Amino acid sequence: GAGVSQTPSNKVTEKGKYVELRCDPISGHTALYWYRQSLGQGPEFLIYFQGTGAADDSGLPNDRFFAVRPEGSVSTLKIQRTERGDSAVYLCASSFGPNNEQFFGPGTRLTVL
Amino acid sequence: KQEVTQIPAALSVPEGENLVLNCSFTDSAIYNLQWFRQDPGKGLTSLLLIQSSQREQTSGRLNASLDKSSGRSTLYIAASQPGDSATYLCQMIYNQGGKLIFGQGTELSVKP
Repeated sequence: GAGVSQTPSNKVTEKGKYVELRCDPISGHTALYWYRQSLGQGPEFLIYFQGTGAADDSGLPNDRFFAVRPEGSVSTLKIQRTERGDSAVYLCASSFGPNNEQFFGPGTRLTVL
Repeated sequence: KQEVTQIPAALSVPEGENLVLNCSFTDSAIYNLQWFRQDPGKGLTSLLLIQSSQREQTSGRLNASLDKSSGRSTLYIAASQPGDSATYLCQMIYNQGGKLIFGQGTELSVKP
């Protein structure tokens, strides 16, 4: 079956612009996670959805970052007024339920010029 | 503060050697622990998941152990192969709010 997919695979934008990153989880997975990974570092937790609701958004760095999952499946991570420091690989993962084995997508590499 | 540390940051071994990767954590109130591998430019691949009530899990040449009292987990790789070359990451999932914390990873290189 299909794994977790993320689009686009690469996104280059200019400072101050708005971007949206999409995640399609594995069908039937109720939990969805967003992480951010900088070069040479482990992934940093951003937000976790259980169904349609954000169960834990404590990892979002500031109010420029927002994520939605309106139908409990696809999720979109939205970043307003992008800054160069937002450049990273954004990873999405899903699991059958909270705290179960996570399956990761290939990531979206965001570059803010 | 909940911290997860992986030492060493990088490791190079000859093919065929058995090796151990280390992961230490400051807060032992974990729900479970997961080991991943990450190939360059790729996402993470799950290797093993250990529930907090378990002490180890095995899959093929891999064995992961968990010792909550000492705040340590190890990933043992037997008879290493060049295809094992990757970055290995451990992740803690905590009871309190399901907090998810990764170590910074160990970059493994297995030389033929």
